[in-house]
Amino acid sequence: DVKVTQSSRYLVKRTGEKVFLECVQDMDHENMFWYRQDPGLGLRLIYFSYDVKMKEKGDIPEGYSVSREKKERFSLILESASTNQTSMYLCASSLTPLAGLPYEQYFGPGTRLTVT
Amino acid sequence: QQPVQSPQAVILREGEDAVINCSSSKALYSVHWYRQKHGEAPIFLMILLKGGEQKGHDKISASFNEKKQQSSLYLTASQLSYSGTYFCGTEMRGAQKLVFGQGTRLTINP
Repeated sequence: DVKVTQSSRYLVKRTGEKVFLECVQDMDHENMFWYRQDPGLGLRLIYFSYDVKMKEKGDIPEGYSVSREKKERFSLILESASTNQTSMYLCASSLTPLAGLPYEQYFGPGTRLTVT
Repeated sequence: QQPVQSPQAVILREGEDAVINCSSSKALYSVHWYRQKHGEAPIFLMILLKGGEQKGHDKISASFNEKKQQSSLYLTASQLSYSGTYFCGTEMRGAQKLVFGQGTRLTINP
């Protein structure tokens, strides 16, 4: 079974702190994604990566950066946390589409981040 | 731009049917459906790839009308275990990323 793990289920940080959210997958997936989930807004893509050291902006990248030094690990960084970044953060991974056929995404359990 | 799901919420009794719609303003290559139970990770249900394609397993099926840029998820004879929030994720050709709808909360009562 594919396993996507996230470093913390709950995290409380102060405004202005630098925050690291870690995600690890164990199925050798090329693609990894970071989403934030807010009530009524669904899942919104922050950043994704389709290879080591490669990254692409998603729909809401402002205030975030990412790092992918190893294939299995994808980190989300909040350089200076703000209260409007209080949210549930979900990591996901998938294989690269083959011959145009997309693959499903496997999600981690999420990190509920509160910025005070 | 996020696809629009409707309805936003629905409450059913066990055994009733439900339809959840997903509509996009952009040309779509594929539509993915996921279900998320409270406090858990979203779980993959199915991918629809071609225009007019229909898929299903057990009593959950879906259709994808490529021309209308719409997909519908059908839950037949709903079970208590079907409760949760359903998300559609839409993909444009070559994008390798999904844009998710805002979700539809489905509650099944005994």
